Amino acid sequence: SQQGEEDPQALSIQEGENATMNCSYKTSINNLQWYRQNSGRGLVHLILIRSNEREKHSGRLRVTLDTSKKSSSLLITASRAADTASYFCATDASGSSYKLIFGSGTRLLVRP
Amino acid sequence: DTEVTQTPKHLVMGMTNKKSLKCEQHMGHRAMYWYKQKAKKPPELMFVYSYEKLSINESVPSRFSPECPNSSLLNLHLHALQPEDSALYLCASSQKLGQSYEQYFGPGTRLTVT
Repeated sequence: SQQGEEDPQALSIQEGENATMNCSYKTSINNLQWYRQNSGRGLVHLILIRSNEREKHSGRLRVTLDTSKKSSSLLITASRAADTASYFCATDASGSSYKLIFGSGTRLLVRP
Repeated sequence: DTEVTQTPKHLVMGMTNKKSLKCEQHMGHRAMYWYKQKAKKPPELMFVYSYEKLSINESVPSRFSPECPNSSLLNLHLHALQPEDSALYLCASSQKLGQSYEQYFGPGTRLTVT
């Protein structure tokens, strides 16, 4: 079963706007990762946040983690057309120390 | 070199064919993965190798046979596939096996089974 569920499933914004994607999960985790996938291509790792961290930044990306609500959000500020992609959160599988479970993904379209 | 390469990029095969997918990395990573991804779905783990030994088989049908000849190479041998096996097959690697290591993905092989 999927550990992470993301919303929205699809998001369309204008270039320059901010994009926020949310990920919810069911069981306790050690860390949570975010990946980006351009259409039909491989995934690119964006950021990893550990369960004892609440917020992390990387360039225009800001990730938050609320373990009490079992949720995380990915904020992309000042979006660009090149940010158009699918974004997946990935969490450790319940009872496993090595398996990642990917969420359902958010398809982001940034209009020029 | 932070690249994972996969060949071929596209593959069309009949249900009676035997083919192989190849994956290579030169980052010194000791964990390598095969994922299957259907359209508009997240990747699903198939196999994991750690130090060239099969660590995880996610109950994948035997028509898929992985092989890790050395620490840089990972193969996926395909035989008697079904049309529903058509998908994007992604290879990934990480420094070691564990959830705290980021995974580096190849561009994938788009497989079509006719």
